[in-house]
Amino acid sequence: QKEVEQDPGPLSVPEGAIVSLNCTYSNSAFQYFMWYRQYSRKGPELLMYTYSSGNKEDGRFTAQVDKSSKYISLFIRDSQPSDSATYLCAMSAGGGGNKLTFGTGTQLKVEL
Amino acid sequence: EPEVTQTPSHQVTQMGQEVILRCVPISNHLYFYWYRQILGQKVEFLVSFYNNEISEKSEIFDDQFSVERPDGSNFTLKIRSTKLEDSAMYFCASSRGGIGEETQYFGPGTRLLVL
Repeated sequence: QKEVEQDPGPLSVPEGAIVSLNCTYSNSAFQYFMWYRQYSRKGPELLMYTYSSGNKEDGRFTAQVDKSSKYISLFIRDSQPSDSATYLCAMSAGGGGNKLTFGTGTQLKVEL
Repeated sequence: EPEVTQTPSHQVTQMGQEVILRCVPISNHLYFYWYRQILGQKVEFLVSFYNNEISEKSEIFDDQFSVERPDGSNFTLKIRSTKLEDSAMYFCASSRGGIGEETQYFGPGTRLLVL
Protein backbone atom coordinates (compact mmCIF):
# COMPACT_ATOMS: atom_id res chain seq x y z
CA GLN A 1 0.00 0.00 0.00
CA LYS A 2 1.33 3.43 -0.95
CA GLU A 3 1.83 5.86 1.92
CA VAL A 4 -0.26 8.52 0.17
CA GLU A 5 -2.82 7.79 -2.53
CA GLN A 6 -4.35 10.39 -4.78
CA ASP A 7 -6.48 9.96 -7.88
CA PRO A 8 -4.42 11.40 -10.76
CA GLY A 9 -7.48 12.47 -12.75
CA PRO A 10 -7.76 14.28 -15.05
CA LEU A 11 -10.79 15.95 -13.55
CA SER A 12 -12.73 18.31 -15.80
CA VAL A 13 -15.42 20.62 -14.41
CA PRO A 14 -17.37 23.61 -15.72
CA GLU A 15 -16.55 27.09 -14.46
CA GLY A 16 -18.36 27.84 -11.21
CA ALA A 17 -18.51 24.22 -10.06
CA ILE A 18 -17.46 23.02 -6.64
CA VAL A 19 -14.40 20.82 -6.90
CA SER A 20 -13.55 18.09 -4.42
CA LEU A 21 -10.03 16.68 -4.31
CA ASN A 22 -9.02 13.89 -1.96
CA CYS A 23 -6.12 11.90 -0.61
CA THR A 24 -5.90 8.87 1.62
CA TYR A 25 -2.86 7.84 3.60
CA SER A 26 -1.66 4.90 5.61
CA ASN A 27 0.91 6.38 8.01
CA SER A 28 -0.84 7.25 11.28
CA ALA A 29 2.19 9.36 12.31
CA PHE A 30 1.27 12.09 9.81
CA GLN A 31 0.12 15.21 11.66
CA TYR A 32 0.69 18.05 9.19
CA PHE A 33 -1.29 18.19 5.97
CA MET A 34 -0.79 20.50 3.04
CA TRP A 35 -2.24 21.17 -0.35
CA TYR A 36 -0.04 22.56 -3.07
CA ARG A 37 -0.95 23.76 -6.54
CA GLN A 38 1.49 23.09 -9.36
CA TYR A 39 1.29 24.59 -12.81
CA SER A 40 3.03 22.76 -15.62
CA ARG A 41 6.81 22.66 -15.13
CA LYS A 42 6.67 25.02 -12.14
CA GLY A 43 7.33 24.62 -8.43
CA PRO A 44 4.59 23.60 -5.97
CA GLU A 45 2.76 26.61 -4.54
CA LEU A 46 1.32 26.28 -1.04
CA LEU A 47 -2.46 26.62 -0.87
CA MET A 48 -3.51 25.28 2.51
CA TYR A 49 -1.87 23.98 5.66
CA THR A 50 -3.67 22.08 8.41
CA TYR A 51 -2.43 20.57 11.63
CA SER A 52 -4.20 17.41 12.83
CA SER A 53 -7.93 16.92 12.25
CA GLY A 54 -10.43 19.63 11.41
CA ASN A 55 -11.39 22.16 8.78
CA LYS A 56 -9.68 25.27 7.52
CA GLU A 57 -11.09 27.83 5.14
CA ASP A 58 -9.27 30.44 3.07
CA GLY A 59 -11.32 32.30 0.50
CA ARG A 60 -12.68 29.82 -2.02
CA PHE A 61 -10.61 26.96 -0.59
CA THR A 62 -11.53 24.65 2.30
CA ALA A 63 -9.26 21.91 3.60
CA GLN A 64 -10.58 19.05 5.71
CA VAL A 65 -8.62 16.44 7.62
CA ASP A 66 -10.14 13.30 9.12
CA LYS A 67 -7.33 11.49 10.90
CA SER A 68 -9.60 8.69 12.08
CA SER A 69 -10.29 7.77 8.45
CA LYS A 70 -6.83 8.84 7.21
CA TYR A 71 -8.53 10.99 4.61
CA ILE A 72 -7.98 14.60 3.59
CA SER A 73 -9.92 16.79 1.18
CA LEU A 74 -9.62 20.11 -0.58
CA PHE A 75 -12.77 21.87 -1.78
CA ILE A 76 -12.66 24.68 -4.30
CA ARG A 77 -15.81 26.79 -4.56
CA ASP A 78 -16.77 28.81 -7.63
CA SER A 79 -13.96 27.25 -9.65
CA GLN A 80 -12.28 29.42 -12.27
CA PRO A 81 -10.30 28.55 -15.41
CA SER A 82 -7.23 29.92 -13.59
CA ASP A 83 -7.64 27.08 -11.07
CA SER A 84 -6.66 24.63 -13.82
CA ALA A 85 -3.49 23.00 -12.49
CA THR A 86 -2.27 19.89 -10.72
CA TYR A 87 -3.16 19.73 -7.03
CA LEU A 88 -0.75 17.90 -4.76
CA CYS A 89 -1.52 16.71 -1.27
CA ALA A 90 1.48 16.46 1.03
CA MET A 91 1.89 15.41 4.61
CA SER A 92 4.51 14.97 7.29
CA ALA A 93 4.96 13.56 10.75
CA GLY A 94 6.88 16.65 11.84
CA GLY A 95 9.98 16.23 13.91
CA GLY A 96 13.55 17.02 13.01
CA GLY A 97 13.62 16.02 9.35
CA ASN A 98 10.00 17.00 8.61
CA LYS A 99 10.10 15.45 5.18
CA LEU A 100 6.99 15.83 3.08
CA THR A 101 5.40 12.79 1.47
CA PHE A 102 3.43 13.75 -1.61
CA GLY A 103 0.55 12.22 -3.47
CA THR A 104 0.84 11.82 -7.22
CA GLY A 105 -1.29 14.92 -7.82
CA THR A 106 -4.73 15.39 -9.39
CA GLN A 107 -4.86 17.24 -12.69
CA LEU A 108 -7.79 19.65 -12.72
CA LYS A 109 -9.21 21.47 -15.73
CA VAL A 110 -11.90 24.12 -15.27
CA GLU A 111 -13.64 24.79 -18.54
CA LEU A 112 -15.49 27.92 -19.64
CA GLU B 1 6.76 38.59 -0.63
CA PRO B 2 9.90 36.58 0.12
CA GLU B 3 10.43 33.55 -2.07
CA VAL B 4 12.85 30.71 -2.65
CA THR B 5 14.99 31.18 -5.76
CA GLN B 6 16.91 28.57 -7.72
CA THR B 7 19.61 28.67 -10.39
CA PRO B 8 19.99 27.63 -13.08
CA SER B 9 16.46 27.11 -14.34
CA HIS B 10 17.70 24.51 -16.83
CA GLN B 11 20.88 22.46 -16.96
CA VAL B 12 21.99 19.96 -19.57
CA THR B 13 24.97 17.77 -18.76
CA GLN B 14 26.74 14.66 -19.98
CA MET B 15 26.50 11.43 -18.02
CA GLY B 16 29.32 11.18 -15.50
CA GLN B 17 29.71 14.94 -15.09
CA GLU B 18 29.29 16.79 -11.81
CA VAL B 19 26.51 19.33 -11.42
CA ILE B 20 25.78 21.83 -8.69
CA LEU B 21 22.27 23.15 -8.26
CA ARG B 22 21.90 26.36 -6.29
CA CYS B 23 19.15 27.70 -4.07
CA VAL B 24 18.62 30.82 -2.02
CA PRO B 25 16.09 29.98 0.72
CA ILE B 26 13.82 32.54 2.36
CA SER B 27 16.06 34.64 4.57
CA ASN B 28 14.69 33.90 8.05
CA HIS B 29 14.14 30.21 7.42
CA LEU B 30 16.21 27.65 9.24
CA TYR B 31 15.30 24.36 7.55
CA PHE B 32 16.22 23.57 3.98
CA TYR B 33 15.18 20.74 1.70
CA TRP B 34 15.76 19.22 -1.71
CA TYR B 35 13.09 17.28 -3.58
CA ARG B 36 13.00 15.92 -7.08
CA GLN B 37 10.24 15.17 -9.55
CA ILE B 38 10.87 12.86 -12.47
CA LEU B 39 8.65 13.78 -15.39
CA GLY B 40 5.14 12.44 -14.87
CA GLN B 41 5.89 11.19 -11.36
CA LYS B 42 5.31 12.48 -7.86
CA VAL B 43 7.52 14.86 -5.93
CA GLU B 44 10.04 12.86 -3.87
CA PHE B 45 11.99 13.92 -0.79
CA LEU B 46 15.77 13.82 -1.07
CA VAL B 47 17.23 15.51 2.01
CA SER B 48 16.58 17.96 4.82
CA PHE B 49 19.24 20.20 6.36
CA TYR B 50 19.31 22.13 9.62
CA ASN B 51 22.05 23.77 11.64
CA ASN B 52 24.67 22.90 9.02
CA GLU B 53 23.99 19.21 8.99
CA ILE B 54 21.69 16.71 7.33
CA SER B 55 18.58 16.02 9.42
CA GLU B 56 17.14 13.28 7.28
CA LYS B 57 17.79 11.76 3.87
CA SER B 58 15.97 9.33 1.63
CA GLU B 59 17.29 6.18 0.03
CA ILE B 60 17.60 8.14 -3.22
CA PHE B 61 20.19 10.40 -1.59
CA ASP B 62 23.18 8.10 -1.96
CA ASP B 63 26.91 8.85 -1.94
CA GLN B 64 26.64 10.61 -5.31
CA PHE B 65 24.68 13.41 -3.68
CA SER B 66 25.84 16.03 -1.22
CA VAL B 67 24.45 19.28 0.17
CA GLU B 68 26.17 22.34 1.50
CA ARG B 69 25.39 25.76 2.87
CA PRO B 70 28.56 27.52 1.78
CA ASP B 71 27.55 30.92 3.13
CA GLY B 72 24.67 32.60 4.93
CA SER B 73 22.35 32.63 1.95
CA ASN B 74 23.02 29.79 -0.49
CA PHE B 75 22.11 26.12 -0.24
CA THR B 76 23.50 23.74 -2.85
CA LEU B 77 22.91 20.22 -4.10
CA LYS B 78 25.83 18.51 -5.79
CA ILE B 79 25.57 15.38 -7.89
CA ARG B 80 29.09 14.02 -8.33
CA SER B 81 28.71 11.72 -11.31
CA THR B 82 25.38 12.15 -13.01
CA LYS B 83 23.41 9.22 -14.39
CA LEU B 84 20.67 9.22 -17.01
CA GLU B 85 18.11 8.50 -14.30
CA ASP B 86 19.07 11.71 -12.48
CA SER B 87 17.17 13.63 -15.15
CA ALA B 88 14.37 15.36 -13.25
CA MET B 89 13.11 18.63 -11.88
CA TYR B 90 14.91 19.47 -8.64
CA PHE B 91 13.10 21.65 -6.12
CA CYS B 92 14.58 23.45 -3.16
CA ALA B 93 12.31 24.30 -0.24
CA SER B 94 12.67 26.06 3.08
CA SER B 95 10.72 26.47 6.31
CA ARG B 96 11.11 28.48 9.49
CA GLY B 97 10.82 25.40 11.67
CA GLY B 98 9.45 25.25 15.17
CA ILE B 99 5.91 24.56 16.36
CA GLY B 100 3.41 25.83 13.80
CA GLU B 101 6.14 26.84 11.38
CA GLU B 102 6.51 23.59 9.50
CA THR B 103 5.18 24.89 6.19
CA GLN B 104 7.63 24.40 3.38
CA TYR B 105 7.90 26.93 0.56
CA PHE B 106 9.22 25.71 -2.76
CA GLY B 107 11.39 27.32 -5.38
CA PRO B 108 10.61 27.24 -9.12
CA GLY B 109 12.94 24.29 -9.71
CA THR B 110 15.94 23.40 -11.85
CA ARG B 111 15.27 21.10 -14.78
CA LEU B 112 18.24 18.75 -15.12
CA LEU B 113 18.73 16.73 -18.27
CA VAL B 114 21.49 14.13 -18.33
CA LEU B 115 22.51 12.94 -21.79
